[in-house]
Amino acid sequence: GENVEQHPSTLSVQEGDSAVIKCTYSDSASNYFPWYKQELGKRPQLIIDIRSNVGEKKDQRIAVTLNKTAKHFSLHITETQPEDSAVYFCALNTNAGKSTFGDGTTLTVKP
Amino acid sequence: NAGVTQTPKFRILKIGQSMTLQCAQDMNHNYMYWYRQDPGMGLKLIYYSVGAGITDKGEVPNGYNVSRSTTEDFPLRLELAAPSQTSVYFCASSYSEFKGVNQPQHFGDGTRLSIL
Repeated sequence: GENVEQHPSTLSVQEGDSAVIKCTYSDSASNYFPWYKQELGKRPQLIIDIRSNVGEKKDQRIAVTLNKTAKHFSLHITETQPEDSAVYFCALNTNAGKSTFGDGTTLTVKP
Repeated sequence: NAGVTQTPKFRILKIGQSMTLQCAQDMNHNYMYWYRQDPGMGLKLIYYSVGAGITDKGEVPNGYNVSRSTTEDFPLRLELAAPSQTSVYFCASSYSEFKGVNQPQHFGDGTRLSIL
């Protein structure tokens, strides 16, 4: 079945710095790669996603890159702010509907 | 739209008891999912459904059952509750063309379940 590894598990940056989180996967049938943000005690919420026919997507301070050949995708957050502090999850889906999540990265942005 | 609604929000069960976690969505989504999230961990897929009458096992299905008799509802049944099932349970839904392009999942607020 699908397997996704997410690194790092924790990440601490100074406000204004960039943060990068990377996920690798094994199932070449994966075709949809969303990223979710989960604040403490809350539900996960989508922040950005990318599909298998696209290499990069950007939304203001957030970007996602996908390398299908190497089977990895990454989340990039620039000009980090304290409100970016949360747990971030990568995920992937196949056409069959099955969904797999990474184990999460706890991002702390220090003011 | 209410989105994805989960009930109850909290529940304490004794070992061996049974219960059903309710999940309903009003977005006409065909895909629905159940996850469990243990403290400090990621989301593990328990069961999912790509449409009414169709269910499939996820990574951690043992000890759980589901049904999908309507598009809107996707209840999760725990039989013979065990301490290892203490967790936060999230239901999610999304819309996808059958075997087509996936869309983002919308999550409910979760059910916090303790088995004592």
